[in-house]
Amino acid sequence: KAGVTQTPRYLIKTRGQQVTLSCSPISGHRSVSWYQQTPGQGLQFLFEYFSETQRNKGNFPGRFSGRQFSNSRSEMNVSTLELGDSALYLCASRPGTPQETQYFGPGTRLLVL
Amino acid sequence: GDSVTQMEGPVTLSEEAFLTINCTYTATGYPSLFWYVQYPGEGLQLLLKATKADDKGSNKGFEATYRKETTSFHLEKGSVQVSDSAVYFCALSLLSNTGNQFYFGTGTSLTVIP
Repeated sequence: KAGVTQTPRYLIKTRGQQVTLSCSPISGHRSVSWYQQTPGQGLQFLFEYFSETQRNKGNFPGRFSGRQFSNSRSEMNVSTLELGDSALYLCASRPGTPQETQYFGPGTRLLVL
Repeated sequence: GDSVTQMEGPVTLSEEAFLTINCTYTATGYPSLFWYVQYPGEGLQLLLKATKADDKGSNKGFEATYRKETTSFHLEKGSVQVSDSAVYFCALSLLSNTGNQFYFGTGTSLTVIP
């Protein structure tokens, strides 16, 4: 089975721009979660999507949004980028039933200049 | 609230040394516990997990036992190798009415020197 894939792997943007990141979960997995990882804050939960619906949300501003498609692929969008948005964005998928293990993708490294 | 606390790093060990990375948790219910490992430039990989009290997770020589009485899930390895150099994350999963909630520790960086 192919693992979780994320595109692009690296991205450079400037302040004020917007960016869209993509995540393809493991086949058969219906839940996709997004995390932001920075050296100072560690791993912070952004949101989780299950069957095209946002099921959980972390404590991030409205500039961060996401969606999930019928094939379970998910996109994350960040508008009006700030320098502090520079981070590794990780996507994780799991089948969706309780107590399931999350499987992570390699991440997208975003640098905001 | 629910949370995970793991020991601060960085940790530097010589090859073949014994490793312990401490992890304690606070949870209102009955969580599953995980250790993930992140190698440089990569995402997180599941290392081991335990789903109930007294369970022992093990993989690649690493072990951790779910201790409900001390709310701990310490990671141990008897003899580390240079290839074990990575960042290790302790995590818990709790079932809520909106699905599973996941909480991660801040990560512990391990460097093993030959």
